[in-house]
Amino acid sequence: DQQVKQNSPSLSVQEGRISILNCDYTNSMFDYFLWYKKYPAEGPTFLISISSIKDKNEDGRFTVFLNKSAKHLSLHIVPSQPGDSAVYFCAASAKRGETSGSRLTFGEGTQLTVNP
Amino acid sequence: SAVISQKPSRDICQRGTSLTIQCQVDSQVTMMFWYRQQPGQSLTLIATANQGSEATYESGFVIDKFPISRPNLTFSTLTVSNMSPEDSSIYLCSVGDVSARRAYEQYFGPGTRLTVT
Repeated sequence: DQQVKQNSPSLSVQEGRISILNCDYTNSMFDYFLWYKKYPAEGPTFLISISSIKDKNEDGRFTVFLNKSAKHLSLHIVPSQPGDSAVYFCAASAKRGETSGSRLTFGEGTQLTVNP
Repeated sequence: SAVISQKPSRDICQRGTSLTIQCQVDSQVTMMFWYRQQPGQSLTLIATANQGSEATYESGFVIDKFPISRPNLTFSTLTVSNMSPEDSSIYLCSVGDVSARRAYEQYFGPGTRLTVT
């Protein structure tokens, strides 16, 4: 049961254009969403997050949009740069309590390639 | 964010043997987690490493196969026991801190690439 899905395994865009990465989820208990970037031979790097009480969060070139009714979120990167080429993972969390921490459920990842 | 290191960075092991992976954090953290990323797949949570008590395992993972230690707030180990080729994966530790405003966010170590022959 894949609760977090990234249906596009790869995306290729030109430098300077917008990259849009999509993510869908099925569990209505998820209340926090995160995007991670992963380069080969490195661990995932936290990029940006959004709480379910918001529909948009922006940080520099990165914006995450959340559509709760559609159970869909997207990451926009503008303008895209060649250094953005990496695998992007969407993750979701349903808080289990103050002392138990938060369990992250990850999507399959999307390989973004930004061409110069 | 915390600086997280893992040892070893990679290893090639024979089936039937065990490997212990270490995760060291440069500051005290409340939560530590262990994930697995099998080839071509996403990250899957193995267990939450609890300081001073037994780890909490996710469905499909058991203590006999993946024993975990968490002796203090900066260190944890994951052992992959009686390995088979299906255990070939990248193993990652992550940390989170429920005391922080961003309690849901986790930060990952560089990973340990394990190949079982």
